[in-house]
Amino acid sequence: DAGVTQSPTHLIKTRGQQVTLRCSPKSGHDTVSWYQQALGQGPQFIFQYYEEEERQRGNFPDRFSGHQFPNYSSELNVNALLLGDSALYLCASSLGLSQGALGEKLFFGSGTQLSVL
Amino acid sequence: AQKVTQAQTEISVVEKEDVTLDCVYETRDTTYYLFWYKQPPSGELVFLIRRNSFDEQNEISGRYSWNFQKSTSSFNFTITASQVVDSAVYFCALSEAGTGRRALTFGSGTRLQVQP
Repeated sequence: DAGVTQSPTHLIKTRGQQVTLRCSPKSGHDTVSWYQQALGQGPQFIFQYYEEEERQRGNFPDRFSGHQFPNYSSELNVNALLLGDSALYLCASSLGLSQGALGEKLFFGSGTQLSVL
Repeated sequence: AQKVTQAQTEISVVEKEDVTLDCVYETRDTTYYLFWYKQPPSGELVFLIRRNSFDEQNEISGRYSWNFQKSTSSFNFTITASQVVDSAVYFCALSEAGTGRRALTFGSGTRLQVQP
């Protein structure tokens, strides 16, 4: 049973460029959340997708956008990259909102390490 | 607004010692969940334990135990007889009913080093 998979593992970009990160949820899961983890900090919630719609969003600018596909996989896009976007980007999956109760645990991938030069 | 504070930045212990990781949270919600996650060097966060706001009973699960006290807004986590494999960064997290079911607010983490 495959867990949450993310690609690529590492990525180096320059300021102003655009980047796309990809995530495949754990088998049986249909909700995907994205988190940004700066060095030495805890993860911060970016947004959550369910039924191909953004259901909730954290305090991140519009440069951060996402998409969920019919197979439940998801992409995170970041436009006009800034040096401060350098971080580990974590994808987490869980059961659907209609099935899960408050407090359901998330399953995380190993993340994509993004470096912006 | 919700907030999670982990005052211990780094803890170093010798194998077989017990270690307690502290967590203090802030929330205005009456319905919430608290979690502990472990992040080994591989990067992925691994779920350890969770507690809801209506259940203050403290439990033990193997070498892990936790102490949830609403009166002091604390959710401390203890590892008994620590092992080198326990070395990792540990995060306390909060999920509120008012902000959505799975938007976790994390603390800044405590790095645990277990020396052989």
